[in-house]
Amino acid sequence: QQQVKQSPQSLIVQKGGISIINCAYENTAFDYFPWYQQFPGKGPALLIAIRPDVSEKKEGRFTISFNKSAKQFSLHIMDSQPGDSATYFCAADLSGGSNYKLTFGKGTLLTVNP
Amino acid sequence: GAGVSQTPSNKVTEKGKYVELRCDPISGHTALYWYRQSLGQGPEFLIYFQGTGAADDSGLPNDRFFAVRPEGSVSTLKIQRTERGDSAVYLCASSLSPNNEQFFGPGTRLTVL
Repeated sequence: QQQVKQSPQSLIVQKGGISIINCAYENTAFDYFPWYQQFPGKGPALLIAIRPDVSEKKEGRFTISFNKSAKQFSLHIMDSQPGDSATYFCAADLSGGSNYKLTFGKGTLLTVNP
Repeated sequence: GAGVSQTPSNKVTEKGKYVELRCDPISGHTALYWYRQSLGQGPEFLIYFQGTGAADDSGLPNDRFFAVRPEGSVSTLKIQRTERGDSAVYLCASSLSPNNEQFFGPGTRLTVL
């Protein structure tokens, strides 16, 4: 059972464009939703995270939009740059914010063309 | 200081052999986690240590997998009687405490022939 579904699998964007990656979850007990960025040969690195008490969180060019009723959340990368080319994973954690038993999506390979 | 380090970076073994994968967490981090990342998939939780004890090992796929953290710092993931399906990247992460950001190491790529 895949508890966090991520789309698209891959995404190609031109430099300066907006990259949008979507995730949907099934378990309503999830209450912590981070996004991770992974470069080839490296481990994932936390990019930005949100809790369901807010509908949007912005950090620089990265924004998470959260829709609790639809059980969906998305990552928006504004003014995408070639250096943003990486694999992005959404994740979710159970109620209580234990933040250790993360459930990850399958990932989205983002390519930003110069 | 340095980030999370994992050794070896690559390990090739034969079916049926025993392997050990090592993780050196960030100094001072009490929480340590192991994940497995198969090709084209996101990381899957295996086990979580708080200090020396395994607080949650519910992600270990079967009893061929075992992990230790005897002094509350370095951890070793041990896999007995390896199978081809064990081939994956094994990621280690550490955090200052369970509710803090997890910092991941670069992983060990295990290939079972």
